[in-house]
Amino acid sequence: AQTVTQSQPEMSVQEAETVTLSCTYDTSENNYYLFWYKQPPSRQMILVIRQEAYKQQNATENRFSVNFQKAAKSFSLKISDSQLGDTAMYFCAFMKPGGFQKLVFGTGTRLLVSP
Amino acid sequence: GAGVSQSPSNKVTEKGKDVELRCDPISGHTALYWYRQSLGQGLEFLIYFQGNSAPDKSGLPSDRFSAERTGGSVSTLTIQRTQQEDSAVYLCASSLAFWQSQETQYFGPGTRLLVL
Repeated sequence: AQTVTQSQPEMSVQEAETVTLSCTYDTSENNYYLFWYKQPPSRQMILVIRQEAYKQQNATENRFSVNFQKAAKSFSLKISDSQLGDTAMYFCAFMKPGGFQKLVFGTGTRLLVSP
Repeated sequence: GAGVSQSPSNKVTEKGKDVELRCDPISGHTALYWYRQSLGQGLEFLIYFQGNSAPDKSGLPSDRFSAERTGGSVSTLTIQRTQQEDSAVYLCASSLAFWQSQETQYFGPGTRLLVL
């Protein structure tokens, strides 16, 4: 079974600074998908970024980028130029390929961005 | 609609009562998923639908939980004889069919259930 570990329960950063959230996972699959979701106080889970394991290039979405290290089974999220609206819970998630697959989530990291 | 919608947003019920939670997925999404988010258990998978059928019910915590989907669209999660440990946020997500290769799951705002 796959497991996802987020070792940082809480992180703090000041506005405009850069912060990195850690995620490691365990799987015997060679191909899979990894995701970072953001959950603000509104509860809505919002997709931040997605990475396919067969792609060596790290995914980027504006201020958000990942450092995907397949051999180390590590998938960290870097948020540049942090904004107050980035305050939220961030969940790392794993999914096997093939369609109709469940997401396996980590326990989340609470990020607080302060002025 | 543009996104996944869920109703009610919040539900307070008494122990022993039945509740129904509704999910309306993104139009055209064949796959529909239910997850539960609770303080003690984190985010856990409950069940998914492929069209109207549910090939994997392994995540349902007990036989008090059931779900159905009709017309390949709206899904209802029913909890019978609710217990206090059922208190949680119930999240619904949908995605395109696998042959579309776009397998990202998009979530609704969730239903917060409180069992007194």
